[in-house]
Amino acid sequence: ETGVTQTPRHLVMGMTNKKSLKCEQHLGHNAMYWYKQSAKKPLELMFVYNFKEQTENNSVPSRFSPECPNSSHLFLHLHTLQPEDSALYLCASSQTGAGGETQYFGPGTRLLVL
Amino acid sequence: AQKVTQAQTEISVVEKEDVTLDCVYETRDTTYYLFWYKQPPSGELVFLIRRNSFDEQNEISGRYSWNFQKSTSSFNFTITASQVVDSAVYFCALSEAGDTNAGKSTFGDGTTLTVKP
Repeated sequence: ETGVTQTPRHLVMGMTNKKSLKCEQHLGHNAMYWYKQSAKKPLELMFVYNFKEQTENNSVPSRFSPECPNSSHLFLHLHTLQPEDSALYLCASSQTGAGGETQYFGPGTRLLVL
Repeated sequence: AQKVTQAQTEISVVEKEDVTLDCVYETRDTTYYLFWYKQPPSGELVFLIRRNSFDEQNEISGRYSWNFQKSTSSFNFTITASQVVDSAVYFCALSEAGDTNAGKSTFGDGTTLTVKP
């Protein structure tokens, strides 16, 4: 495997379900990110992890719970979501530095909340 | 605060035409980085180019070229002799240097390019 992988690629869930999105990077990076991309809306940064520590949480509702057990893996745990949470969820990784690092993206998980 | 504006929401061209995608940015930092990404229908953002604020040289890569002008705070992207496979959403992004900004990039809203055969 190379680059950034995400599973599942597609997910349909009800509002009472609990599910998790998984991201794995094989680039030796130390920073990982979750983005949300809704239809007709710009990319929204949700969370940033540097060396497994969360360094950014852009006022994301608590029904989204990230987990970063190591620098290669990132999860997004979902529970009691709303239909407006339907979107493409993108994971990215980069080297950790002083800003300006190139982010490499995974293929995304298309989430539909019914 | 940083901001990226891609004023063109959608562009449609016929194959073999040249097309320029505009990107205008705002930042108070003197050290910053600019990026372009391509998002095909599959969804994955593909990195195209990274340019730092001290390098104003234009760059050409095959049919792609980038024009960075600090005087107008613009970083425009031109595709020469467009092809159907160039159809995608293109994002311009800005990242400022500094530890507090590590990992933060501001993305424009994207320009949807459609190349018709």
